[in-house]
Amino acid sequence: SQKIEQNSEALNIQEGKTATLTCNYTNYSPAYLQWYRQDPGRGPVFLLLIRENEKEKRKERLKVTFDTTLKQSLFHITASQPADSATYLCALDMSSGGYNKLIFGAGTRLAVHP
Amino acid sequence: DAGITQSPRYKITETGRQVTLMCHQTWSHSYMFWYRQDLGHGLRLIYYSAAADITDKGEVPDGYVVSRSKTENFPLTLESATRSQTSVYFCASRTSGTDTQYFGPGTRLTVL
Repeated sequence: SQKIEQNSEALNIQEGKTATLTCNYTNYSPAYLQWYRQDPGRGPVFLLLIRENEKEKRKERLKVTFDTTLKQSLFHITASQPADSATYLCALDMSSGGYNKLIFGAGTRLAVHP
Repeated sequence: DAGITQSPRYKITETGRQVTLMCHQTWSHSYMFWYRQDLGHGLRLIYYSAAADITDKGEVPDGYVVSRSKTENFPLTLESATRSQTSVYFCASRTSGTDTQYFGPGTRLTVL
């Protein structure tokens, strides 16, 4: 079955630095991959989607890469701010029988320190 | 526009009791999903629905029942709650033709 690995340890960085989070997966390559942000006590919020034929996607200070050979996605936050502190979830498409379903990683907690 | 709401937000129940968690969305999205989130496991899909009266099992469906008589509602029922069902439950929805899911605020369920 598909397995997703995100760094379970919290990532601590200094304000202004670039945060890089990793999502690795096994088995078959998904048609697309998504990144979500989750704050404590709240539901996940969609950030970015990248398709298998796209190498890189950007949105403001966010950048996502997708390497189907390495079976890996990297999520970057440039010029990080304390407000970026949250848990970031990677989600892979698991289309089955025409019903698109997502499988989520456990998430990586990011703490940005002033 | 309320978007997607869940009720109750917090629930404490006892082993063996029946519990129903409610999910309501105002967007008329075709697809709706129920996930549970446990420490170290991430979000795991319980059930999903492609439209009213169409539901299917996800990764961890045992002990849960769903129904979808109306597009906007997708209740999740624990027929006989067990301690292992203590978790945070999230409902999500998406429209057909897009891949983004929109999540509700979650229900924290404790089974004693």
